[in-house]
Formats: sequence, C-alpha cells, structure tokens
Amino acid sequence: GAVVSQHPSRVICKSGTSVKIECRSLDFQATTMFWYRQFPKQSLMLMATSNEGSKATYEQGVEKDKFLINHASLTLSTLTVTSAHPEDSSFYICSAGQTNEKLFFGSGTQLSVL
Amino acid sequence: ELKVEQNPLFLSMQEGKNYTIYCNYSTTSDRLYWYRQDPGKSLESLFVLLSNGAVKQEGRLMASLDTKARLSTLHITAAVHDLSATYFCAVAREASGSRLTFGEGTQLTVNP
Repeated sequence: GAVVSQHPSRVICKSGTSVKIECRSLDFQATTMFWYRQFPKQSLMLMATSNEGSKATYEQGVEKDKFLINHASLTLSTLTVTSAHPEDSSFYICSAGQTNEKLFFGSGTQLSVL
Repeated sequence: ELKVEQNPLFLSMQEGKNYTIYCNYSTTSDRLYWYRQDPGKSLESLFVLLSNGAVKQEGRLMASLDTKARLSTLHITAAVHDLSATYFCAVAREASGSRLTFGEGTQLTVNP
C-alpha cells in the first residue's frame, strides 16, 4: 500500500539552531501534504498545508517564518524549524493523501530542543 | 470553526468487556476517520466513514457514523490487552479536502 516516509525519526538540537524534517510519499504523487504537531498527551494540531510548486498555507497562529515549508516536488515536502527553542520541542507528523479517503501519516519526528 | 470532541478521554476496562468511544463534531463534513496511536508512534488508520449510517468493522472494533447527529462511535467488543492505545477521531474540514481536525483522543487501557 501507499506509504509516507518521514525522516529523521528523532532529533536533538541546541537552542537557536535550525532543524529540517523531510516527508516523502513513496509510491504516489502528492500535490498537497500536511504538517501536524503533537505535544505530549495531546491531540494533533494542523500547522500548515504544503502545496507543490507554491507557497504553503499556514493555520492561524502558526508563524510562517518560524516553520518554513518547501514542497519542491510531487513526492517531497520539508519542514524547517528555524531558530528552534525549547518550546518548539514536540512530535511533528506529516500526512499525504493518495485520495481524499486514503490519507497516510508519516512515522513522526520527535524534536527535542535543549 | 469545526470542533471535534471525544469522550471519554480516559478509559480503563477489563479484558473481555465491551465499551464505546464517542466522537461529536460541530459542522457538516463528508468524512470521518478513526486512528490508533501507540506511545511514541505515529497514527495507524483504522476506519474512514463516508456516509450516514456507515458501519465498518475490523476485528474487535466497529465504527459507525450518524451524520445527522454529527456523531461517530467506536465500539470495542470483548477487549484484549493489545487494544491498549490512544484512539483519535478526525473530521475533514472541507468537502473533498484533506485537512483534518482531530478530537482530543481517548486513552484506552485494557487490564488483564
């Protein structure tokens, strides 16, 4: 079946550095991908919609300059957390849909900012 | 704004018992999803429900959808320990779109 691959699965970084997370659709093309974040013991919150070949659409309250999204091809979206701070520590999950019914989630990235 | 509410948020049950998790949502939608999440893991897709009266079953789990009441249920039959996980419902925000609003999640613990 269709698979969404996310990398890295875990990253630890120092405060002030930037971290890039990749999300790939492995056997289908995705013109849109979605980025969610999940704090411990909480639900998933949609951060942004990644649009191939155009700017990402951010949800209200999400800083676009803080969370840079690039969707340069039909199979790859990247999320860069710029100048990361401890409050950015979270579980980040991407998703992509082969169809509107078949939505797949990546394995997630646990970001810890020291 | 679409709101999705689950209850209960925490559920502790004995093996062999039955129970139901409820998911209410505030505005019309054309799709509702159920996912399972194990600690530290991503989401495993369980069901997608598309129409009023839809019922889907997989093993000990059965999901249903009542679009008029804006209510979905996830019924657990004869629970086993392996079902211990957090269960989320999620609702599509727009028709034919893939942006989802998630419920708060129900943390299920099945005790031997």
